[in-house]
Amino acid sequence: AQKITQTQPGMFVQEKEAVTLDCTYDTSDPSYGLFWYKQPSSGEMIFLIYQGSYDQQNATEGRYSLNFQKARKSANLVISASQLGDSAMYFCAMRSEEGKLIFGQGTELSVKP
Amino acid sequence: GAGVSQSPSNKVTEKGKDVELRCDPISGHTALYWYRQRLGQGLEFLIYFQGNSAPDKSGLPSDRFSAERTGESVSTLTIQRTQQEDSAVYLCASSLAGQGRSPLHFGNGTRLTVT
Repeated sequence: AQKITQTQPGMFVQEKEAVTLDCTYDTSDPSYGLFWYKQPSSGEMIFLIYQGSYDQQNATEGRYSLNFQKARKSANLVISASQLGDSAMYFCAMRSEEGKLIFGQGTELSVKP
Repeated sequence: GAGVSQSPSNKVTEKGKDVELRCDPISGHTALYWYRQRLGQGLEFLIYFQGNSAPDKSGLPSDRFSAERTGESVSTLTIQRTQQEDSAVYLCASSLAGQGRSPLHFGNGTRLTVT
């Protein structure tokens, strides 16, 4: 069975500093995908970054990068140079080979000025 | 282009009534997902449709919940005999494909309140 775990209910970071949001997962599928989404207080879901299980390099998208450690089954999101607008809920998600996509419980990030 | 559209945006219903929630995915998207999000919680998987394959219903919490999808278009989520614990935001998402790196595109959700 698939499982996604985000162990940090809340995180604080100083503006302009980097922050790492943790995500661990469990699956028996050899092929899977990992996603990160941002949900501001408005409620919309914003796709940030994707990592495939067979991707050779860690994914990067602007200020977002994914620290993918396959053997440890972790896919941590790194946000560099935090901005006030980064304050939001962040969800890690995993898609199975069959396409089912499940989400973790989320981490609430607060960026301090 | 239009995004994922959900209706109604808000629904208030009395306990015991049936409700139907609608989702119009992005045209051409073969995969469609429904999730439930209670206040301050994560997204709870409900059901996944991929093309003409049998849907993955493994997340439906009880037999009061059902969902249908017509081909690769509109989907409806039906909750029968609503209970107060059904109060939540119901999110629909679609993706170009059900596998690989195709991200989910979400609608704005239907906020259901059961009184």
